[in-house]
Amino acid sequence: EPEVTQTPSHQVTQMGQEVILRCVPISNHLYFYWYRQILGQKVEFLVSFYNNEISEKSEIFDDQFSVERPDGSNFTLKIRSTKLEDSAMYFCASSTVDTQYFGPGTRLTVL
Amino acid sequence: AQSVTQPDIHITVSEGASLELRCNYSYGATPYLFWYVQSPGQGLQLLLKYFSGDTLVQGIKGFEAEFKRSQSSFNLRKPSVHWSDAAEYFCAVMGGGADGLTFGKGTHLIIQP
Repeated sequence: EPEVTQTPSHQVTQMGQEVILRCVPISNHLYFYWYRQILGQKVEFLVSFYNNEISEKSEIFDDQFSVERPDGSNFTLKIRSTKLEDSAMYFCASSTVDTQYFGPGTRLTVL
Repeated sequence: AQSVTQPDIHITVSEGASLELRCNYSYGATPYLFWYVQSPGQGLQLLLKYFSGDTLVQGIKGFEAEFKRSQSSFNLRKPSVHWSDAAEYFCAVMGGGADGLTFGKGTHLIIQP
């Protein structure tokens, strides 16, 4: 069964550094998403991406964040200058139309 | 703005007993509704979804959920829980297409022997 994959599973970085989180969506899916989950809190929507552009973004997704689909398979989330409060689990998801399937997540720890 | 309320933070159920997890939503139109499960250290797995039609939907692992428009609810049920059902359960809503999901805060299910 096809699944969404994410790398790395755990990323540790210093405050102020740039990080890139990578996702490989399910191959025939057209919509791509990033979510985050701060420890002990609910899952929060960050951004959706369709047809090579951002479709929707939340208030959390400020200028420090960017997304890209650099090739036909990868979907990336970049955080330009990480802050302590960016520490969270980041989930990628993809869908054909309405049902989103999630990857296992990347745990980002900012020191 | 849309929102999801899961009023129970923790629920403890004996193995073999029935389960109902509550979910209420706020949305301007008929939403798309989902239940996801998250085991410790894992990602989110889709249990079931409701878009339209029959208001009682069946999902994986023996779960079902009933959409009640009049109560703005989408409660998750299972007739007999297993120890492996212990996990965090999230109810979510979206409008369709490229919309992001809005999640509830989750209900932590504990199964006691």
